[in-house]
Amino acid sequence: KQEVTQIPAALSVPEGENLVLNCSFTDSAIYNLQWFRQDPGKGLTSLLLIQSSQREQTSGRLNASLDKSSGRSTLYIAASQPGDSATYLCAVEGGGGLTGGGNKLTFGTGTQLKVEL
Amino acid sequence: EAGVVQSPRYKIIEKKQPVAFWCNPISGHNTLYWYRQNLGQGPELLIRYENEEAVDDSQLPKDRFSAERLKGVDSTLKIQPAELGDSAVYLCASSEYPGQGADTQYFGPGTRLTVL
Repeated sequence: KQEVTQIPAALSVPEGENLVLNCSFTDSAIYNLQWFRQDPGKGLTSLLLIQSSQREQTSGRLNASLDKSSGRSTLYIAASQPGDSATYLCAVEGGGGLTGGGNKLTFGTGTQLKVEL
Repeated sequence: EAGVVQSPRYKIIEKKQPVAFWCNPISGHNTLYWYRQNLGQGPELLIRYENEEAVDDSQLPKDRFSAERLKGVDSTLKIQPAELGDSAVYLCASSEYPGQGADTQYFGPGTRLTVL
């Protein structure tokens, strides 16, 4: 069974700081890894998708890396802003043997980020 | 382009009552997903449709949950009867292409269910 862990569970930083969110997964046989953002009372917004053959993806101030063999990913946020405050979820597609695979996403429990003025 | 639409946004019911959630995916998206998100947790897949066919319902509690996707577009998720432990946010998502590792999933705002 695929398991996804995110550290830390919560993070508070001052505006302008660079920060790193961590994600680890137990089965490296994944198709891709995605980072999502979730604002309170709202659905999930996909931020970055890294295919299993890729090492990283960038979008604006966000950079996500993937080390499939070690089962790890990081989301780097540069020059954080108060508008970045949200919960960030990591999800992997695939892995988990017979119970996984297909289009099934396995999510971590998220990192709740607060960027203070 | 309209995103994934879900209704209602909030629902409060007493235990043992039935409840239904509705989802309209992004136009042209063939794959539809229902997830359940408990407080402080990540979403967990309940069921996945490819067009009208449920291709993965292994996590759906079939004794009280049912789902349908008539005509391969809108979908309804039903709980009957609801239990206290069903309180959660029910998320619908859709993606354009089937297959493994192919595509980003787009999520709706969810329905927050409270069972009293």
